[in-house]
Amino acid sequence: DGGITQSPKYLFRKEGQNVTLSCEQNLNHDAMYWYRQDPGQGLRLIYYSQIVNDFQKGDIAEGYSVSREKKESFPLTVTSAQKNPTAFYLCASSIRFNEKLFFGSGTQLSVL
Amino acid sequence: GESVGLHLPTLSVQEGDNSIINCAYSNSASDYFIWYKQESGKGPQFIIDIRSNMDKRQGQRVTVLLNKTVKHLSLQIAATQPGDSAVYFCAENMEYGNKLVFGAGTILRVKS
Repeated sequence: DGGITQSPKYLFRKEGQNVTLSCEQNLNHDAMYWYRQDPGQGLRLIYYSQIVNDFQKGDIAEGYSVSREKKESFPLTVTSAQKNPTAFYLCASSIRFNEKLFFGSGTQLSVL
Repeated sequence: GESVGLHLPTLSVQEGDNSIINCAYSNSASDYFIWYKQESGKGPQFIIDIRSNMDKRQGQRVTVLLNKTVKHLSLQIAATQPGDSAVYFCAENMEYGNKLVFGAGTILRVKS
């Protein structure tokens, strides 16, 4: 059953803590993305990767970090430097860059 | 996740009627567009895409129309069903494919 799996579905962060969101895909897609979704706003790009071992900052990369050590995995770390981390985080992948993105089910991150 | 949709425009339609959801895009050079459906607490689901060399594209119960003259995109859903209730948003691919920009979306409510 092919698709994108995000975990956990809900995550709580304490002040000063780093947390990592998981994203795994078995679609054999080269490109992967992380988006942030806030109420009433369009998706905003955090980081993207067009190929394994390479990634680029998106529009709102400050306070976040990623790695792309394997083609199927693109974890996102929300660091303590991100002062407003509460949001719905979406991972996506695609065959061609910026075309026909397929999304995971999302992770809701909240601050305790 | 669950709070997506605050302050978004809402379209209410009767079950069985056709729905038309509109999207104005910003860049006349954008050459690729995508429509997504997002249910509460879930990730966006790809519906249909269209390139700028086309004016119309049809899928199963959906049609996308592109008017490049006025930079307008619409999604038509035939015989709307309760399961179509969701937030619908468009995305445009700008800067020769290097930037995908998402709209905030429209809430579709289907009345039975």
